[in-house]
Amino acid sequence: AQKVTQAQTEISVVEKEDVTLDCVYETRDTTYYLFWYKQPPSGELVFLIRRNSFDEQNEISGRYSWNFQKSTSSFNFTITASQVVDSAVYFCALLYNQGGKLIFGQGTELSVKP
Amino acid sequence: EAQVTQNPRYLITVTGKKLTVTCSQNMNHEYMSWYRQDPGLGLRQIYYSMNVEVTDKGDVPEGYKVSRKEKRNFPLILESPSPNQTSLYFCASSHRTGGHEQYFGPGTRLTVT
Repeated sequence: AQKVTQAQTEISVVEKEDVTLDCVYETRDTTYYLFWYKQPPSGELVFLIRRNSFDEQNEISGRYSWNFQKSTSSFNFTITASQVVDSAVYFCALLYNQGGKLIFGQGTELSVKP
Repeated sequence: EAQVTQNPRYLITVTGKKLTVTCSQNMNHEYMSWYRQDPGLGLRQIYYSMNVEVTDKGDVPEGYKVSRKEKRNFPLILESPSPNQTSLYFCASSHRTGGHEQYFGPGTRLTVT
């Protein structure tokens, strides 16, 4: 079965703390893609990153970094020196079935307090 | 400006009254999809379309219909809405190949009483 699990429902941190959002996935497909999306309080969905199943390189973009490990089927997201503007719901998602089906985790609500 | 548009943005209706939520994209994307978002459940895929005249079921297709007669449009039809279809709906589009990220519309909040 295909599945994405974000075990952390809510996380609360104080500004400038580092925070890691966990994502574990299950799929039988050998070709798949993983995504992180951000949903701020305004409600829109904002694309953050894409990784394909053949590229395990970690990525850093400013304060954001992603750690993809096929051995543990995880695609974790770290925010360094968090800011209040990072407060949002973050979704991890898996694209499979030759690019047709996209499933999301339940989301992690991050609250960054000043 | 590249975008996905949805109409209406908000809709309150009654059980059984057929409705259509429109979705249009101006990026010449082959792939389009519909999702519903419910608290605690994340987003769940309703239907998707890999190209014109090609549609397929997602995880929660019951009670919904779609059509893809033109590349840019992908309407979501609720023939007989019920209260359990009260939800926030998102349309998305992307290029078909390479696992391209999906561009999401602004969402349609539907309430069925």
